[in-house]
Amino acid sequence: KQEVTQIPAALSVPEGENLVLNCSFTDSAIYNLQWFRQDPGKGLTSLLLIQSSQREQTSGRLNASLDKSSGRSTLYIAASQPGDSATYLCASMDSSYKLIFGSGTRLLVRP
Amino acid sequence: GAGVSQSPSNKVTEKGKDVELRCDPISGHTALYWYRQSLGQGLEFLIYFQGNSAPDKSGLPSDRFSAERTGGSVSTLTIQRTQQEDSAVYLCASSPWGAGAQETQYFGPGTRLLVL
Repeated sequence: KQEVTQIPAALSVPEGENLVLNCSFTDSAIYNLQWFRQDPGKGLTSLLLIQSSQREQTSGRLNASLDKSSGRSTLYIAASQPGDSATYLCASMDSSYKLIFGSGTRLLVRP
Repeated sequence: GAGVSQSPSNKVTEKGKDVELRCDPISGHTALYWYRQSLGQGLEFLIYFQGNSAPDKSGLPSDRFSAERTGGSVSTLTIQRTQQEDSAVYLCASSPWGAGAQETQYFGPGTRLLVL
């Protein structure tokens, strides 16, 4: 059974810092690894999707990497801004097309 | 264009009552998913629809939970004889085909259910 773990659970950084969020998964037989953002009281917004054959994806200040052999993914946020404050969730997709989520990292970027 | 919508946004009910939660997926999306987000369990998969059929119901926590989808569009999640542990945010998502490694899921805002 796939288990997805995210560390740290919470992170507080000053504006402008670069930061890394970590995600690990136990079963490497994944179709893809996705990163989402969730704002309080809102649904999830997809940030990046990395297919199992890919190593990384980039969107603006966000870069996500995937290492299937070690069961790890990282989300790198460059030059953080207060508007980046949210909970970040990673999720693996398996052959049944359902997402298995980590418990999230709650990020606060201080002005 | 319009995203995934869910109704009601909030629902308060008494223990033992039945509730129905509704999801309107993005127009034309074939696949529809229900997830539950609770404080103790995080975000967990409930059920997946491909068109009107549900090939994967493995996440439904008990036989009090059921879901249907009609016309390949709207879906309803029904919880019978609600219990306090059913209190959670119920999220719906849709995707174009539900059969691709490159396909992301688009989430609705959720229904916040509180069972008193």
